[in-house]
Amino acid sequence: GAVVSQHPSWVICKSGTSVKIECRSLDFQATTMFWYRQFPKQSLMLMATSNEGSKATYEQGVEKDKFLINHASLTLSTLTVTSAHPEDSSFYICSARPVGGHGELFFGEGSRLTVL
Amino acid sequence: GDSVTQMEGPVTLSEEAFLTINCTYTATGYPSLFWYVQYPGEGLQLLLKATKADDKGSNKGFEATYRKETTSFHLEKGSVQVSDSAVYFCALSYPEEKLTFGTGTRLTIIP
Repeated sequence: GAVVSQHPSWVICKSGTSVKIECRSLDFQATTMFWYRQFPKQSLMLMATSNEGSKATYEQGVEKDKFLINHASLTLSTLTVTSAHPEDSSFYICSARPVGGHGELFFGEGSRLTVL
Repeated sequence: GDSVTQMEGPVTLSEEAFLTINCTYTATGYPSLFWYVQYPGEGLQLLLKATKADDKGSNKGFEATYRKETTSFHLEKGSVQVSDSAVYFCALSYPEEKLTFGTGTRLTIIP
């Protein structure tokens, strides 16, 4: 089956630093990738839609200057949390839609960010 | 807008019990419906899906039928195992549109 890989799987950083999370589709191409944030015991909250070769589309209430998204190729999207603060600590998950798919998404294993 | 309502958890069952996790949706058209599962420490995995009314999705002993008349997509399994312990998410999407998730239902199976 289709595989999506996220890196790093967990990261601890100091407040005020920036952290980059990568999302790769390993065996398929994806013009569209999605970034979610999951709070404990809650559902996934869509943060933004990442489109290859163009600017990401952010959901209402998500700061685009804080959560920088880059989708430079058909197999890679990155999320950079800039000037991280403890409230940014969360589980970040990406997903990718294969080209020619029918609404089906494949998810990465998630990246747990802890900001001290 | 579109939305998904899931049975609130947590749900705790004994091994070999029958499982039902309710899911209903509201949508202006005819979406595709999905169940995703998230095992501890892992990302979401697609469990099953149905793309039109009366379709039945099935995988790993789980089943769900797309019921347009009741706007439901309930997840069922006849005999659960400890390894089925996970969080289950119901979701919908239109083709080319983003997924809308329910809040998730945490399932714990005890031996």
